[in-house]
Order: sequence, then C-alpha cells, then structure tokens
Amino acid sequence: GENVEQHPSTLSVQEGDSAVIKCTYSDSASNYFPWYKQELGKGSQLIIDIRSNVGEKKDQRIAVTLNKTAKHFSLHITETQPEDSAVYFCAASKEGSTLGRLYFGRGTQLTVWP
Amino acid sequence: GAVVSQHPSRVICKSGTSVKIECRSLDFQATTMFWYRQFPKKSLMLMATSNEGSKATYEQGVEKDKFLINHASLTLSTLTVTSAHPEDSSFYICSASDLRAFMGTDTQYFGPGTRLTVL
Repeated sequence: GENVEQHPSTLSVQEGDSAVIKCTYSDSASNYFPWYKQELGKGSQLIIDIRSNVGEKKDQRIAVTLNKTAKHFSLHITETQPEDSAVYFCAASKEGSTLGRLYFGRGTQLTVWP
Repeated sequence: GAVVSQHPSRVICKSGTSVKIECRSLDFQATTMFWYRQFPKKSLMLMATSNEGSKATYEQGVEKDKFLINHASLTLSTLTVTSAHPEDSSFYICSASDLRAFMGTDTQYFGPGTRLTVL
C-alpha cells in the first residue's frame, strides 16, 4: 500500500516568515495530494490540493509543489500569521479508484509566534 | 459549499453503553463516507469506508461488530460505538465524498469531529 512520510513533525516560525512542510509518498500510481489544516479540537479542513498533471498550485499565501519523479510534494505558507498555527496533514490517494482512500502523513504542528 | 456536519460534537458516556455519531453532508450528496479515528497528537486513522446502500468496508484491525456503520441515505452516515469502553475514547471524524460528481475527483470534505469520552 501507499506510505506517506511527513517532515518536520514540529515547526516554529516568526510571524511574517515562510513555512515549508514536506511529504514523500511511495506509490507512483498516487495522483491526488491534498493538504489539511486541523485546529485544536476540530476536524480537518482542506486548504489546498494538487493533482499529478500539474507541478505547482497557488492560492494566496499558500502554495503546493509536486515532484512526481522524486515522489515528493511540499506545502509552502508565506507571510505566516498567528492564525496559521495548527496541525497540517498531507495525504495521497489514487483518484478515480474504487475506494478513494486517503493515506495521511503523521502531521506537522506549526506554531507562528507573533 | 461542501459542508459536512457531525453530531454530537462531544459526548461522555458510561462504560458498557452505546453511542451513535451522525455525519451529514449538508449541501451535496455523499456517495461515500469515511470514518476516521484520531488519538492525541496522532494522524487520522481510517476505520471504515461506507457507500450508500451497501455494507461498510472496514480496515484491518477494526471490529465491525463494535463499530457499526450505517449509510442509509446520500446525506447521512452513522457510526455506533457499541458497548463502549474507556479505550474507545478518542476523536472520531467523518469525511464525505461524491464520487459521481466528476470522474476522478476524490475530494473529501471533513466533518468537525466528535470527542468521545468513555468513563
């Protein structure tokens, strides 16, 4: 099955700095890579996703890059703000498969200091 | 759009009782709903996948007789934790997906989660 590794497990940055979280996956057939933000005691919210037919996607301060050859994808948050503090999960799946199962990384606790 | 709700948000029960958690897709039809369990500071663990009108598919190690899943309509799935024990205390999260909406689109929308505490 798919194995998703996520690093770092914790990340602290100063407000205004950039934050980068990296994930690798093992199954070259995976083609859909979403990122989720989970605030304390709450469910996960999809913040951005990328499919294997593109290498980069951007939405305001958030961007995701995908390197299919190396099987890794990264989340980039620029101009970080304290409200960006949360746990971020990456995931991978084979879109269009019968079950649509997501395989999650272990999460990154991001803390943005004012 | 694509809102998923869960009820209750928090439940405390006595050991041996059963607890039902509801997951609803509010503005779309969910052909597939997923149930996850999350321990503190851990990632989400998929428990089971339910398709509307059919039996749920459970992940290895998840007891189907303990975690009963019903997906009777395109907008509602329920997870019942039967004869709950303290070790069942956890954060349970559902997600919903409409696999018909667009061929190859597997976007899952997550509910806010239910905190279960078994005394």
